Amino acid sequence: AAGVIQSPRHLIKEKRETATLKCYPIPRHDTVYWYQQGPGQDPQFLISFYEKMQSDKGSIPDRFSAQQFSDYHSELNMSSLELGDSALYFCASSLAGQGFGYTFGSGTRLTVV
Amino acid sequence: DAKTTQPTSMDCAEGRAANLPCNHSTISGNEYVYWYRQIHSQGPQYIIHGLKNNETNEMASLIITEDRKSSTLILPHATLRDTAVYYCIVMNTGFQKLVFGTGTRLLVSP
Repeated sequence: AAGVIQSPRHLIKEKRETATLKCYPIPRHDTVYWYQQGPGQDPQFLISFYEKMQSDKGSIPDRFSAQQFSDYHSELNMSSLELGDSALYFCASSLAGQGFGYTFGSGTRLTVV
Repeated sequence: DAKTTQPTSMDCAEGRAANLPCNHSTISGNEYVYWYRQIHSQGPQYIIHGLKNNETNEMASLIITEDRKSSTLILPHATLRDTAVYYCIVMNTGFQKLVFGTGTRLLVSP
């Protein structure tokens, strides 16, 4: 069965650079969630989209932005990168209102040097 | 969303049942209990969820007390690959985000 696809798997950027992470949800899933997981931390919710509209917002820095496109894939844009942005970034997708579990991707490991 | 309380860590011998408890005393009537796990550096994985009845699937069983204030996730025959952090999450279905707490770090040993 198709899973949530994230790209790239690994990314190394320098401070003050920009990074773009991509997420391709499971076909027919209409909701996408982004999470950040720092070293030794639990996943922290960043932002979510339902039917291409932002549906919820967590502790996402102003330097980050995200959107969901017409094909339902989503991109997380991160600017002015800081060392503290080094983390695993997970994307999850779901079919809203169905009450089933959310499916997570394998994540993107971002390292800022 | 209701808060949950889980033990920080647990140990289990391979082949034995792993029983992971979760307290959610402030759960409301329309909130479900979800269990996820995260194997080291992998994306969290859905295990099971329930409202008030006990549930079973190919991965685990979920036992919810009659007053719904606590639940137990049961892995009937734990394997080394079940070593992970297990998260108990209470939420409504639909448009809500998953909020991860501290979870229980389960170590399955030979």
